[in-house]
Amino acid sequence: GEDVEQSLFLSVREGDSSVINCTYTDSSSTYLYWYKQEPGAGLQLLTYIFSNMDMKQDQRLTVLLNKKDKHLSLRIADTQTGDSAIYFCAENPRDTGRRALTFGSGTRLQVQP
Amino acid sequence: DSGVTQTPKHLITATGQRVTLRCSPRSGDLSVYWYQQSLDQGLQFLIQYYNGEERAKGNILERFSAQQFPDLHSELNLSSLELGDSALYFCASSVVGAMNTQYFGPGTRLTVL
Repeated sequence: GEDVEQSLFLSVREGDSSVINCTYTDSSSTYLYWYKQEPGAGLQLLTYIFSNMDMKQDQRLTVLLNKKDKHLSLRIADTQTGDSAIYFCAENPRDTGRRALTFGSGTRLQVQP
Repeated sequence: DSGVTQTPKHLITATGQRVTLRCSPRSGDLSVYWYQQSLDQGLQFLIQYYNGEERAKGNILERFSAQQFPDLHSELNLSSLELGDSALYFCASSVVGAMNTQYFGPGTRLTVL
């Protein structure tokens, strides 16, 4: 079955790097996504990675994918207080009958000034 | 701003009532997805429409239904509401393809009293 797991909480100091981890189970997933949700807001697409890539960098964000272990991580460099939010990883299963995303439970990132 | 709009932003109603949530996808996106976000269940896929036709169903209750109109906007109808239906309801849209990147609206917060 499909299951995406994330740790619930991460606290870092401003200026440090944050690493948010995610494990997924569907090895057929073609794309994996990271979304950010600020309080009272919708989900903002941050970045994505194609399953044949190991790494993708986008400004302060670095996504690492380990397909063998089905492990995905999001690194935020120079974390700022504005990065405080809930971060969701999501997979897009290849199941042709369904194109919906399967989300993890979200990691709440708290950035201490 | 993702380009996906949802109305209303907040909705407060009583048990047993029926409500309609509305979503307008991004210009050019043919596919619309509905998700429910609650504290105990996390983000769950409800239903997907593509160009007016139902494409996939997730954990959608029989009391809930949806449709997508010729102008591609979608409505989610929730009836015989129960306290447990209180949640954030998100709509997302995408151009269906291999990548299937989904852009989310700001959500409708439903409170059932």
